[in-house]
Amino acid sequence: GQSLEQPSEVTAVEGAIVQINCTYQTSGFYGLSWYQQHDGGAPTFLSYNALDGLEETGRFSSFLSRSDSYGYLLLQELQMKDSASYFCAVLTGGGNKLTFGTGTQLKVEL
Amino acid sequence: EAQVTQNPRYLITVTGKKLTVTCSQNMNHEYMSWYRQDPGLGLRQIYYSMNVEVTDKGDVPEGYKVSRKEKRNFPLILESPSPNQTSLYFCASSLSGTGAPGELFFGEGSRLTVL
Repeated sequence: GQSLEQPSEVTAVEGAIVQINCTYQTSGFYGLSWYQQHDGGAPTFLSYNALDGLEETGRFSSFLSRSDSYGYLLLQELQMKDSASYFCAVLTGGGNKLTFGTGTQLKVEL
Repeated sequence: EAQVTQNPRYLITVTGKKLTVTCSQNMNHEYMSWYRQDPGLGLRQIYYSMNVEVTDKGDVPEGYKVSRKEKRNFPLILESPSPNQTSLYFCASSLSGTGAPGELFFGEGSRLTVL
């Protein structure tokens, strides 16, 4: 099966930079995704990495190292609205199966 | 507007009373999936479907059934609900399992309580 580890909680101040790490153990790895979820609402897609390296989308960047089975989500210029849960998820099973981690709750403070 | 629609959004029921949670998407997506979310456990996949008439078990399929008779609909059926199925359920869809890798579009969720 698959297992993913990410911190349960991270706290940062508005305007700062925060990194949320994700390590995984899986077979048939295709790629790593990140999702954001506000207060039990619908999770929304943030990014997907299939290859090693950094992908940047506005204030958010995502990194993957396949050899280390490790990735992270980097949030810059934090805003209060970034307070949410962030989930990493591994794509396996020939690209058919997306397995989520348990999520990291990010609290942004003034 | 592109969306995934689930109904009901909230439901309280009793043990053993069959229920169906409907899911419909208007994006012509081939891939659909059901997840349940419980505190501290993240999102766990129940069933998924690659296309019409093609369904497969996820990580926690026990106690659930699904069907995919039409491309747009993917209902989740609880034949005999039990209290351990009290959860927040999400339906999601994607262009295909690999066509839009790792990008799922989620419904707003259905909060189910089984007494």
